[in-house]
Amino acid sequence: SQQGEEDPQALSIQEGENATMNCSYKTSINNLQWYRQNSGRGLVHLILIRSNEREKHSGRLRVTLDTSKKSSSLLITASRAADTASYFCATDGGGETSGSRLTFGEGTQLTVNP
Amino acid sequence: DAGVIQSPRHEVTEMGQEVTLRCKPISGHNSLFWYRQTMMRGLELLIYFNNNVPIDDSGMPEDRFSAKMPNASFSTLKIQPSEPRDSAVYFCASTLTGVNSPLHFGNGTRLTVT
Repeated sequence: SQQGEEDPQALSIQEGENATMNCSYKTSINNLQWYRQNSGRGLVHLILIRSNEREKHSGRLRVTLDTSKKSSSLLITASRAADTASYFCATDGGGETSGSRLTFGEGTQLTVNP
Repeated sequence: DAGVIQSPRHEVTEMGQEVTLRCKPISGHNSLFWYRQTMMRGLELLIYFNNNVPIDDSGMPEDRFSAKMPNASFSTLKIQPSEPRDSAVYFCASTLTGVNSPLHFGNGTRLTVT
């Protein structure tokens, strides 16, 4: 079963606008990761936030994590048409041995209109 | 770095036939994962290997599915006999074992069983 659940399922915005996607999860985690998937391609890692971090930035990406609410958000600022893709959150289930065993959410389909 | 390489990219077969999917992980990575992606169920972890040893195969749907990793640079996922409900995109991913290690995905094999 999918631990992460993204919200919304689909998001359509205009180029230049910001896009915010949310993820909720159920168990403890060591980290939470966000991935992007372009149509017909594999997933690409975007950013990882550790459980003891609250916010992280990478270029136009900003990720927040609230472990008390078991939720995370991904913000893409100044969106571009090339950002059109599906975005997934993934969690590792916590524990010392969970390692890289990730469980993915159902994804948010982002469409950025030029 | 060539990334994770999967073959074939597309496979169309008839029900009852044997299907073998192949994966070459990134050199130096010691964990390998097989995922299946469908519209209905999203991304599901089928099995993962650490140092060529299967660690968790609880996601393998039935005995018709089997996976092997004879060496650090090659893995196969076999379905025998195949059924229409096996139609999906199968992804292989690799990483260095660790709590904060991102996964590197191949571009997947789209399997259609008629």
